[in-house]
Amino acid sequence: DQQVKQNSPSLSVQEGRISILNCDYTNSMFDYFLWYKKYPAEGPTFLISISSIKDKNEDGRFTVFLNKSAKHLSLHIVPSQPGDSAVYFCAASLNAGNNRKLIWGLGTSLAVNP
Amino acid sequence: ETGVTQSPTHLIKTRGQQVTLRCSSQSGHNTVSWYQQALGQGPQFIFQYYREEENGRGNFPPRFSGLQFPNYSSELNVNALELDDSALYLCASSPGGNEKTQYFGPGTRLLVL
Repeated sequence: DQQVKQNSPSLSVQEGRISILNCDYTNSMFDYFLWYKKYPAEGPTFLISISSIKDKNEDGRFTVFLNKSAKHLSLHIVPSQPGDSAVYFCAASLNAGNNRKLIWGLGTSLAVNP
Repeated sequence: ETGVTQSPTHLIKTRGQQVTLRCSSQSGHNTVSWYQQALGQGPQFIFQYYREEENGRGNFPPRFSGLQFPNYSSELNVNALELDDSALYLCASSPGGNEKTQYFGPGTRLLVL
């Protein structure tokens, strides 16, 4: 049972336009959400996060929106650049006692075309 | 400040063998988590170590075991390797067991033949 779903395996966007990556989750106990970016042959790199008490977090070209009622979050990248081409993972975190569980989606491969 | 490092970068084993993967956590981090990422999947949590003690475990059998050392580096050991163990193994460190953000190493790609 996939608790964190990224329903688009891939996305192609023109340089300079907006990239929107979507993520849905099922567990209402998740209280923190993160986006990681992964290049081939490298580990995931933390990009941006949002607490469940907020609905928006912005960091430069990256903005994450959270809609708790819909159990949906999205990552907006604007303007998109060719260097943004990578696999983007959505991850959801919940408190599991003395540690935190991080549940990951399957990833969306973003291609930004020059 | 050095990031998370892992060794080896890749290796090939045969079914039934044992393997040890290593991870050095980021400076100042006392918590290490290990993940398995199969092809086309997101990372799956194996276990976490906090100050040399196991601090949480995912749905992996006991033949997956680990250690954390006083300098907070860590090992993942897998016994009786199976073909399905072929994956990218990721190590992530964080400043505490309950820390929300984890920082990942480049991973070790294991192929079991």
